[in-house]
Amino acid sequence: ELKVEQNPLFLSMQEGKNYTIYCNYSTTSDRLYWYRQDPGKSLESLFVLLSNGAVKQEGRLMASLDTKARLSTLHITAAVHDLSATYFCAVDPRTGANSKLTFGKGITLSVRP
Amino acid sequence: DTGVSQNPRHKITKRGQNVTFRCDPISEHNRLYWYRQTLGQGPEFLTYFQNEAQLEKSRLLSDRFSAERPKGSFSTLEIQRTEQGDSAMYLCASSLNFALTEAFFGQGTRLTVV
Repeated sequence: ELKVEQNPLFLSMQEGKNYTIYCNYSTTSDRLYWYRQDPGKSLESLFVLLSNGAVKQEGRLMASLDTKARLSTLHITAAVHDLSATYFCAVDPRTGANSKLTFGKGITLSVRP
Repeated sequence: DTGVSQNPRHKITKRGQNVTFRCDPISEHNRLYWYRQTLGQGPEFLTYFQNEAQLEKSRLLSDRFSAERPKGSFSTLEIQRTEQGDSAMYLCASSLNFALTEAFFGQGTRLTVV
């Protein structure tokens, strides 16, 4: 059974500083997705990582994928309050057509002044 | 049509009652997924459709749960004889039917069983 682990589960960040959060998964996959969720809201797609070594950047967020280590990282540069949310990674274990996603428990980020 | 639409957004029901939720996917998306999310957890897969065919169901989907997508467009998720443990956010997502695309999620239906 595929397991997706995220750590830490909660991170208090200071405005302006850099942080990295992690997503580990237990089975071979070269497709990993990052989503953001604000309280009471649905999930917003952030990044789609589709191969080993893939790196995507959007604003202050940069995501990367190491399929050999079964690890994805989400790097936050100069944290700002707007980034406060819960971030989920999700893995698709299939090698064929798009199918179901297995999510981690999420990492709740809180940015303080 | 700019996204996945779910109705109702909130539902409060008494234990033992039946409830039905509706999901309208993005119009050109062939695949439709149902997930359940409880507080402090990530979404858990329930079932998915490719067009009108239900291709996979999770073990989480007990026999009180049934999902349909009769014409390959909108989908319904029905829960019979609701229990307090069914209280959760029910999320619908859709995607194109080929590899390397992400799923887009609706706003969800929050179910509270009292």
